[in-house]
Amino acid sequence: GAVVSQHPSWVICKSGTSVKIECRSLDFQATTMFWYRQFPKQSLMLMATSNEGSKATYEQGVEKDKFLINHASLTLSTLTVTSAHPEDSSFYICMVATNEKLFFGSGTQLSVL
Amino acid sequence: GESVGLHLPTLSVQEGDNSIINCAYSNSASDYFIWYKQESGKGPQFIIDIRSNMDKRQGQRVTVLLNKTVKHLSLQIAATQPGDSAVYFCAENMGSSNTGKLIFGQGTTLQVKP
Repeated sequence: GAVVSQHPSWVICKSGTSVKIECRSLDFQATTMFWYRQFPKQSLMLMATSNEGSKATYEQGVEKDKFLINHASLTLSTLTVTSAHPEDSSFYICMVATNEKLFFGSGTQLSVL
Repeated sequence: GESVGLHLPTLSVQEGDNSIINCAYSNSASDYFIWYKQESGKGPQFIIDIRSNMDKRQGQRVTVLLNKTVKHLSLQIAATQPGDSAVYFCAENMGSSNTGKLIFGQGTTLQVKP
């Protein structure tokens, strides 16, 4: 079945810097990937839908200029948190949807100092 | 033991007992539902799913029940083990099946006492 690889697993950065998170579909060509965010002790919230070869679709309240999504190939989507601030510290998770199942990445814990 | 999902976020059970975790979903048009298990610092792990044309589905030690009339979903875990300790989320798929646009419930922490 499809396997999703997400990198890095955790990252610590200074406020104002940008951080890139990669999500790779290893066994499946994914035209669509999804990015979720999870704050401590809270549920997962959908941030955006990443579409291969076109612009991402953002959920209400998610700043597209702050959370840049690039889906340049069928196996890779990247989420860049630009000018990160402490309030962006969160667990970011990607997900790939195949015809039958949904597969999550292992998540990236972002800590902004 | 039984939780009311959104109002009782922690369920504590004795090892070997059966666990029931409840979830209320929001959209009567949702046609696909999934239960996930999440351990600390990890991504969600698929447990079991059910489509809206079914009211019950069984897996290994787990059963999902769907009541569309009251928009209620439950996860039953038989003979709960310490390794079952985690946070459990229900998710509803808004719109067509497998679109990936999942709306997650609040989550219930399951604590298994040895």
